[in-house]
Parts: sequence; structure tokens; C-alpha cells
Amino acid sequence: QKEVEQNSGPLSVPEGAIASLNCTYSDRGSQSFFWYRQYSGKSPELIMFIYSNGDKEDGRFTAQLNKASQYVSLLIRDSQPSDSATYLCAVNMRGNFNKFYFGSGTKLNVKP
Amino acid sequence: DTGVSQNPRHKITKRGQNVTFRCDPISEHNRLYWYRQTLGQGPEFLTYFQNEAQLEKSRLLSDRFSAERPKGSFSTLEIQRTEQGDSAMYLCASSYPGGDYGYTFGSGTRLTVV
Repeated sequence: QKEVEQNSGPLSVPEGAIASLNCTYSDRGSQSFFWYRQYSGKSPELIMFIYSNGDKEDGRFTAQLNKASQYVSLLIRDSQPSDSATYLCAVNMRGNFNKFYFGSGTKLNVKP
Repeated sequence: DTGVSQNPRHKITKRGQNVTFRCDPISEHNRLYWYRQTLGQGPEFLTYFQNEAQLEKSRLLSDRFSAERPKGSFSTLEIQRTEQGDSAMYLCASSYPGGDYGYTFGSGTRLTVV
């Protein structure tokens, strides 16, 4: 079992729709969760982080964390073609805040 | 502050040659990380520094790999006797202590070993 798992996609949504990206992780003790966006050929860019169970909203983005289910998700409201990218979930593990395990990413396509 | 800077952006080398990459972190960040990313995969941790001290190394970092951060400023990652399997994007990132607010990645160095 991989430490962090994501559906590779591609996930296709029409412009203006809500995109829902999901991530599961293996370490029940994980405490820090991050979402990064990566455009093709570019480096990852931090979108959001979440530490506590529940929802965290930032503009069109909402991160959702459920530690009991070891599940973190990212919702993108009013999706735009410019949101088309690969979204990476990153999780710290085993109490080590000095490195993160990344999922392989979910490719999102937003169709005009 | 221009972010995390990596040089070169691209490197093509012949198998068996040595290569060195440089990373200049954000000046206020005392944590510096190296990750490697292959096509279709997420970044994989290689090593990290707090100031000039290298505090953790991944098992991925074989004896052919060495990283330094003299004086706690820029860092270099050297790969000796490159192999085709070393072809990847090498990403440098920096953060405030603890990485609680996530990393800022550089633009990466894409290595191709032919």
C-alpha cells in the first residue's frame, strides 16, 4: 500500500462546475496535509494546507479532512480552464514534520 | 525575494558523467529540501537541511548522491557516475522551521542521462 494514494484521472469537468479531488493516506498519526497544483512541465505550487478535521475554505478552494477515515479532499468551485493541472496531495508521516509523502497526483481537465 | 532559484534548468549528460545542481532558497527560510520527481509520479523526498546541517537522507540517496549546504545558504546536489535511471526532475524547496506552512518549490532541474 502506498503511503498516499490518489486517483490518477484524468478528471474532466465542464467550466463552472465543482471539481472534487480525493486523497487517502496510510498513517493514522499524520497531522499535516497539503494540496499542490502542478502545471505540465512546471514545479508544484502550494494551494492549501489543513491540520484539523473539517473544512477549510480559501476563495474557490475548500480542503476537507477526515482523520478517522484517513481521507483528505480538495473541492474547486466554479472551475476554470486555468485550473487544468495535476493536483498533488502531500502528507507528513510518522510524526516527521520535516518531509512529506506525495501522491502521484490527479490530472484535472476543465473543459470550456 | 525572487523565490527559490535552481540552476541549471535542464541538463543532458552522458551516462557515467558527474553532474551538480545548485539551489538558492528563499533567504528567510532555514529549511532546504531536495526531492526527485519522475514522469507521472509525485515528488519523492531525498534529503533536507536545517541551516548547514543535513538532518535526514532518504534511502533513495545512494552513495553516488551527495548534497551540501555550506554556510546554510545555497545548496548543491551532486550525482556521480550518472545512470539512465537518474533521469528525473530534481526539485529544491525551502520552508520556515518545521515546514508547517508547506514548501516553496523552485522551478526544478530536469536531468536527462543518455
